[in-house]
Order: sequence, then structure tokens, then C-alpha cells
Amino acid sequence: DAKTTQPTSMDCAEGRAANLPCNHSTISGNEYVYWYRQIHSQGPQYIIHGLKNNETNEMASLIITEDRKSSTLILPHATLRDTAVYYCIVRPGNAGNMLTFGGGTRLMVKP
Amino acid sequence: EAGVVQSPRYKIIEKKQPVAFWCNPISGHNTLYWYRQNLGQGPELLIRYENEEAVDDSQLPKDRFSAERLKGVDSTLKIQPAELGDSAVYLCASSLIGSSIQETQYFGPGTRLLVL
Repeated sequence: DAKTTQPTSMDCAEGRAANLPCNHSTISGNEYVYWYRQIHSQGPQYIIHGLKNNETNEMASLIITEDRKSSTLILPHATLRDTAVYYCIVRPGNAGNMLTFGGGTRLMVKP
Repeated sequence: EAGVVQSPRYKIIEKKQPVAFWCNPISGHNTLYWYRQNLGQGPELLIRYENEEAVDDSQLPKDRFSAERLKGVDSTLKIQPAELGDSAVYLCASSLIGSSIQETQYFGPGTRLLVL
């Protein structure tokens, strides 16, 4: 019962912006969009989350469409260390809900 | 600030043997999660604790898996007996559920289990 759809893999040139898309057409009103990433041999790392408005932090920006059916994670200046699997997760608004991970997007940043 | 600590990082055992994984969450975090991640897939929740209480263990295979969270801090996940299909990475995460609706889960590095 996949709630999100992401491309399996993407490449990005070092120093360029990496734009990772995610479709979540069945998202409901109280569900948030979360992004985590997992670098090889490490645990998942929180990046950012949002409900309706665009969000930005020191790691990335999250752009959510007005109908909330899709979103894009933007890494403004990708580095080799950003090579990882990026997971887009739709999560209900109640605290304590588990994260349901899909397959994610494998981002390869190339020199 | 210390993150989530897990040990061991790697474990190789023969099938039918028991194995245990240990997790020390971030100090002050009241909620602890155990996830299992099979090769090439995303993590899947096994059990969630709020303080000492297991509030969601519906995905835990109870015939061979058990978990406990002593005094609402450290947690141990055990498999007895292990099967070949249990080979995976076992991830522990913790979070602080308080007044905020949303909370961030912080993950440890995981324990990579290989059952021969």
C-alpha cells in the first residue's frame, strides 16, 4: 500500500542543485510530508518536513504543490557526501506514528 | 550531543542460534522504535515503545522475536531461534513526544545481522 512514488535513481553533478520529486496523490488533510535520507551503512537521517507551505532549513528546501499531491526536495548545491537514498514519507499528524518507508530514490552525485 | 547508540554493529551467527541487539536512545527521549531493513528496501517498523510500554508491536513476529525496554531507557531486541530470513539490518530510533504534534525520529547506525 504505497503512499508515495519516487524515481528509483537520479544523478546530479557536484555543485548543482538536486531536485528530487515525490508523488503522494492520495495524501489526506492531516498528513505531513517527511524526507529522510540514508547514506550507505548508516541509519536514516531526518532532512525536513512540511504540511502545506514550502519549508527551508540548513540542509534542504521542500516545495509542496498547492494541491499537495506532489512535492520536491531541493538540495541547492549537491556535494559528493549527499550521495544517498532519499525517502519521501507521508505521515499522519499524530505524534508517535511510525514512518512507512518506500523504496526511495538513490541519488548519485558525480564529480 | 550523543546520538542513538546501538551494539553490536555487526553479528554473524548460525541459524537456530539466539541473538540480541542493544539500543541506547538519545537522553530524554521517551519513545523508542525498532525497525528492520532488508537489503535494498526501506526500514519497516517492528515495535514502538512509549516509556516502558510497547504501544505498537503488531509487526513483531512474536514466535521468535521479543523486546524489552528497561526503565524506559535502553532497549533490547532478541531473536530466538534465528532463521536465515532474519538476515537484515536492525535499526533503533528514538524521539521525544511532547507538546508538539510532530516529532523527529533519530536513528542509530543499525546492527547488521547475517544468519548462516
